[in-house]
Amino acid sequence: SQQGEEDPQALSIQEGENATMNCSYKTSINNLQWYRQNSGRGLVHLILIRSNEREKHSGRLRVTLDTSKKSSSLLITASRAADTASYFCATRGSTLGRLYFGRGTQLTVWP
Amino acid sequence: DADVTQTPRNRITKTGKRIMLECSQTKGHDRMYWYRQDPGLGLRLIYYSFDVKDINKGEISDGYSVSRQAQAKFSLSLESAIPNQTALYFCATSLAGEHQPQHFGDGTRLSIL
Repeated sequence: SQQGEEDPQALSIQEGENATMNCSYKTSINNLQWYRQNSGRGLVHLILIRSNEREKHSGRLRVTLDTSKKSSSLLITASRAADTASYFCATRGSTLGRLYFGRGTQLTVWP
Repeated sequence: DADVTQTPRNRITKTGKRIMLECSQTKGHDRMYWYRQDPGLGLRLIYYSFDVKDINKGEISDGYSVSRQAQAKFSLSLESAIPNQTALYFCATSLAGEHQPQHFGDGTRLSIL
């Protein structure tokens, strides 16, 4: 399966702390994307990192990609209660333009 | 994403009924997708369409059919609903191209009794 796998499945932290989520995958990719899903809502795209990139930043988000280990991490710095959501990684292979989603990490940020 | 609208938002129906879920978008994207989300399983692709004349099966297309009525509209049908099709269904759109994100609607919560 090309599906990514996030780790941990659940993460609970206090406001102000950093949150790190990891994603592992099995096949070669063109890019890897991270999405957030708030309860009862659709997924929202956060950041995309291409296979030839190693690190990318967007505001409080930092994504790394290690294609040799087939893994990625998403770091949210200075977490806020509003960051409480599920976070999914999705990989895009070299054909057909399809995305393969992982099962997600549920992040809870306590005030 | 308000530019991707799914109707209905919630639906409860009985086994054996035919159901249609609708998706419309104002983003002008050529590509549209239908996913199913089940607790603990993430999102799985049901069907996708790269333009009006292009329809492709995803990983779990059995029991489903789709219609791309226009660039902006992509409908998902359950011909004869069964309880294990109870799930959250999402429509998504994207531009063509290798490095394009997908934009999701807010989903349809479907319960089949």
